[in-house]
Amino acid sequence: AQSVTQPDIHITVSEGASLELRCNYSYGATPYLFWYVQSPGQGLQLLLKYFSGDTLVQGIKGFEAEFKRSQSSFNLRKPSVHWSDAAEYFCAVADYNTNAGKSTFGDGTTLTVKP
Amino acid sequence: SQTIHQWPATLVQPVGSPLSLECTVEGTSNPNLYWYRQAAGRGLQLLFYSVGIGQISSEVPQNLSASRPQDRQFILSSKKLLLSDSGFYLCAWSVGGASETQYFGPGTRLLVL
Repeated sequence: AQSVTQPDIHITVSEGASLELRCNYSYGATPYLFWYVQSPGQGLQLLLKYFSGDTLVQGIKGFEAEFKRSQSSFNLRKPSVHWSDAAEYFCAVADYNTNAGKSTFGDGTTLTVKP
Repeated sequence: SQTIHQWPATLVQPVGSPLSLECTVEGTSNPNLYWYRQAAGRGLQLLFYSVGIGQISSEVPQNLSASRPQDRQFILSSKKLLLSDSGFYLCAWSVGGASETQYFGPGTRLLVL
């Protein structure tokens, strides 16, 4: 069964600093990978996704992620963090053995942005 | 454009009482529908998914059930709530297929006392 690990439960960065959120996955084939963001008390919104092609994926709000098969990783990055980026971030891997579109989510990383 | 609604936004229920949470999607047909639970400080746990009317798959054994009486309506129910049912419940939809994005509703916060 597939799994997703987000090693960092909580990260604090200063506004304007760079950000990297880690995600490691376990899947038997080429995975479909997603990053979602959740603001407090809200639903989740897709930031970006990877399922083929260029391993560096651009997303919304200035985020990007790089798929590294050799490391089973899909880390999320942003060169300069804004205070509005404070939220919880979830990495997910999809199960493409069915058409159900099911995804397994990591436990999330909470981002705090210091002024 | 597509929208997804969930209600109520917040619910406080006593242990042993019934539960009904509703989710509806507008602007799309035959979506895949999902119910997730998010416990405090935890990730998302997939509870149920549905690929069509009347088709429900359960991911984990539990005190809850789901139904899909109409194409764009997904209901989460319980006959008797437990304390452990407290959490943040999220409904989501997708067009189907593993590479497709899931679109989430605003969620329902349930507190069982």
